[in-house]
Amino acid sequence: GAVVSQHPSRVICKSGTSVKIECRSLDFQATTMFWYRQFPKQSLMLMATSNEGSKATYEQGVEKDKFLINHASLTLSTLTVTSAHPEDSSFYICSARDSPRVGQFFGPGTRLTVL
Amino acid sequence: AQSVTQLGSHVSVSEGALVLLRCNYSSSVPPYLFWYVQYPNQGLQLLLKYTTGATLVKGINGFEAEFKKSETSFHLTKPSAHMSDAAEYFCAVSATNQAGTALIFGKGTTLSVSS
Repeated sequence: GAVVSQHPSRVICKSGTSVKIECRSLDFQATTMFWYRQFPKQSLMLMATSNEGSKATYEQGVEKDKFLINHASLTLSTLTVTSAHPEDSSFYICSARDSPRVGQFFGPGTRLTVL
Repeated sequence: AQSVTQLGSHVSVSEGALVLLRCNYSSSVPPYLFWYVQYPNQGLQLLLKYTTGATLVKGINGFEAEFKKSETSFHLTKPSAHMSDAAEYFCAVSATNQAGTALIFGKGTTLSVSS
């Protein structure tokens, strides 16, 4: 149990376009989902906390207008990278909390490459 | 504020040797502690976690970790390394008194296993 999926697993886009990444909890309801970003050979950095039915909470330094997060249901959160630029190229990973179990379950990640 | 320090960005062992990955944490509240493993281009898989109770925690794939409050440590060990253990390992901490709190990750340790 506690499986989290992400779609797409890999995306390549042109600079200036927008990309949407989906994060789904497949066998549990997740009131809280998290979005992380990971640069090569580095650790995961929290971008935002997404709560179902409310606005996401962004970490300091993360542009909320650039990284749009929507958590419309208990099983789906989306991250949209708007007007993507090459510096947005990264590995984006989501996780979901399966309350009341402790801990988070991670999706397989999405590799974004902006040309 | 919470933080995690992983000593040694790269650890190399021979197959069959002891694996020891070090993790120290800082937390103003009783912590929840986690170890995750990441294989190339994949998400994170939970190895084990400490919440409350027994301080020696056993996880998957023969790994275990011991919570030592006096040393603020949560080192990961495995008695005998296997080639398939080669991966990136992350230690993480979260606050126990805040539901849905995100994880704070260490910088990661790359484990190499030679035959």
